[in-house]
Amino acid sequence: AQKITQTQPGMFVQEKEAVTLDCTYDTSDPSYGLFWYKQPSSGEMIFLIYQGSYDQQNATEGRYSLNFQKARKSANLVISASQLGDSAMYFCAMREGLGIYNQGGKLIFGQGTELSVKP
Amino acid sequence: DTAVSQTPKYLVTQMGNDKSIKCEQNLGHDTMYWYKQDSKKFLKIMFSYNNKELIINETVPNRFSPKSPDKAHLNLHINSLELGDSAVYFCASSQSQGASGEQYFGPGTRLTVT
Repeated sequence: AQKITQTQPGMFVQEKEAVTLDCTYDTSDPSYGLFWYKQPSSGEMIFLIYQGSYDQQNATEGRYSLNFQKARKSANLVISASQLGDSAMYFCAMREGLGIYNQGGKLIFGQGTELSVKP
Repeated sequence: DTAVSQTPKYLVTQMGNDKSIKCEQNLGHDTMYWYKQDSKKFLKIMFSYNNKELIINETVPNRFSPKSPDKAHLNLHINSLELGDSAVYFCASSQSQGASGEQYFGPGTRLTVT
């Protein structure tokens, strides 16, 4: 079974508008972390935002916020005021077993969503 | 200062050859990883090392042999290269296995096997 699902292979957004990229996850581990990475056409993996399973508040980093709904097992990325430079592939990832119950620290990735920002 | 560096950035080679990719991190992290990104952009863990010890080997063919001479370096050696090995290989590091923080990625090595 897929542990991380990103159902939007591609999305378009108008410059300056907000966009939500969907991510759902599946784990029975109570201690986990959720990550979003950006991969522009140049290929590097850029960390955007992190949410821990015990964090009470949704994570925010500048124009990025993570809409964490634990009961629904979703961790959607919201990008406000889109810019042309936001055009990239976006990956949702999960690390299970944080703390002493770690499972080696690996990230499990979703399939990615390709975001295109239109001028 | 580059946090996680990989060499080479591009590698083009023929089937059957043996090649190595080097990775170094200057973050003082304990845990390092190799990920493979296939032609459909899907990223999958291959190996994880913690303080030079192998922690994860995610059913990777034994033609792939990671080596960690010290906790700042994790190299990947591939024997008898096959067409299906063509991919982008990313090295990454994190503070520890159980850390909640960010995993830092290197720039990637694009391997093309002809």
